[in-house]
Amino acid sequence: SAVISQKPSRDICQRGTSLTIQCQVDSQVTMMFWYRQQPGQSLTLIATANQGSEATYESGFVIDKFPISRPNLTFSTLTVSNMSPEDSSIYLCSGEDRLSTDTQYFGPGTRLTVL
Amino acid sequence: EDKVVQSPLSLVVHEGDTVTLNCSYEVTNFRSLLWYKQEKKAPTFLFMLTSSGIEKKSGRLSSILDKKELFSILNITATQTGDSAVYLCAATNAGNNRKLIWGLGTSLAVNP
Repeated sequence: SAVISQKPSRDICQRGTSLTIQCQVDSQVTMMFWYRQQPGQSLTLIATANQGSEATYESGFVIDKFPISRPNLTFSTLTVSNMSPEDSSIYLCSGEDRLSTDTQYFGPGTRLTVL
Repeated sequence: EDKVVQSPLSLVVHEGDTVTLNCSYEVTNFRSLLWYKQEKKAPTFLFMLTSSGIEKKSGRLSSILDKKELFSILNITATQTGDSAVYLCAATNAGNNRKLIWGLGTSLAVNP
């Protein structure tokens, strides 16, 4: 299975600041995705990270708020910009396994608290 | 609109019990159904099912898909406290750029 690392594992941030989350995957991964999971809820897809081009955002998520980069096959970043308490959530990156289409493996997640 | 519905939403059992978790789906161009276990933050992959009637098994966990009735079940036998987690079900739409459609999950608590 794919190996995915993510950092930071948690952070507490002030309102109005920005946080960048990093995700590193091994070469087993093709597609990369960013999710948000708010307390007591299921996973919500933010965007698909595309290598070398702009991410594909889901309805309700915009690039100005959640800029995403994927400069190469194995690395991506998600920035949560101009944060408010409503952004407090777990942020997860995932990668689709090259050998098993549809199977996504997840990084350990980032627990973000915005004060 | 594609959707995945899990039941029950929560479940409390005693160690040693057997549990069955349900996942029904309405997905156009359905391709696969996946089960994950989420304990703290990150979901851990359990199974991917694409064919009806073929049971997938891993230790005390097993799962099967019924593409005619549009549902899957996840069975856990001889439950242990370490099985306490949220179990998530997700489905894929072949025409949807590999995005997963997620259920809300079943929260399982196994008491000693």
